[in-house]
Amino acid sequence: DAGVIQSPRHEVTEMGQEVTLRCKPISGHNSLFWYRQTMMRGLELLIYFNNNVPIDDSGMPEDRFSAKMPNASFSTLKIQPSEPRDSAVYFCASSHRPLLGREAINYEQYFGPGTRLTVT
Amino acid sequence: KNEVEQSPQNLTAQEGEFITINCSYSVGISALHWLQQHPGGGIVSLFMLSSGKKKHGRLIATINIQEKHSSLHITASHPRDSAVYICASHPQGAQKLVFGQGTRLTINP
Repeated sequence: DAGVIQSPRHEVTEMGQEVTLRCKPISGHNSLFWYRQTMMRGLELLIYFNNNVPIDDSGMPEDRFSAKMPNASFSTLKIQPSEPRDSAVYFCASSHRPLLGREAINYEQYFGPGTRLTVT
Repeated sequence: KNEVEQSPQNLTAQEGEFITINCSYSVGISALHWLQQHPGGGIVSLFMLSSGKKKHGRLIATINIQEKHSSLHITASHPRDSAVYICASHPQGAQKLVFGQGTRLTINP
């Protein structure tokens, strides 16, 4: 398997522009996580999905941020309009959650390579 | 407040030394994760544990639930172990992982 795929790997944009980050989870995984990493705050969970359904989006910082998962093999994280403070590395991760059992977040997560976003 | 603290923040050692990185958390958890982030930025999950000890190659992770403390050990350290090591707790009843700030490890040849 190719692992979790994210695109683009690097994005430089001007303040006010719309930014869309993309993620393809590992085939067969049914949980997907979006994280943001900054020097000041470290790694933070933004949102996660189980079976394409958003479960917890309380980490999404503002209404400018939105995430979708239209099918099991694709998710997007959109920032509109972008601001310089959104500059960070955004990671997508996926895991497999059994049909029965504990919370998905207890299971090993596989991370994508990240998208480094710079908003000027 | 739910917090995860790691120590040390930075660690430099010589090749071959035994390494210990510590992680303390403030609330009861259902699991604790250790992650490794290489200089290139990629993140790899090393361990997920809820009790006792796990071993993978030269890496060993332990957890003491009563003391709310976990350690990551590296035996016979090697320069390729140089990375940032991050612990993350999954608090009981919560759905988010809470991350420590990471420990930057540098192993010199």
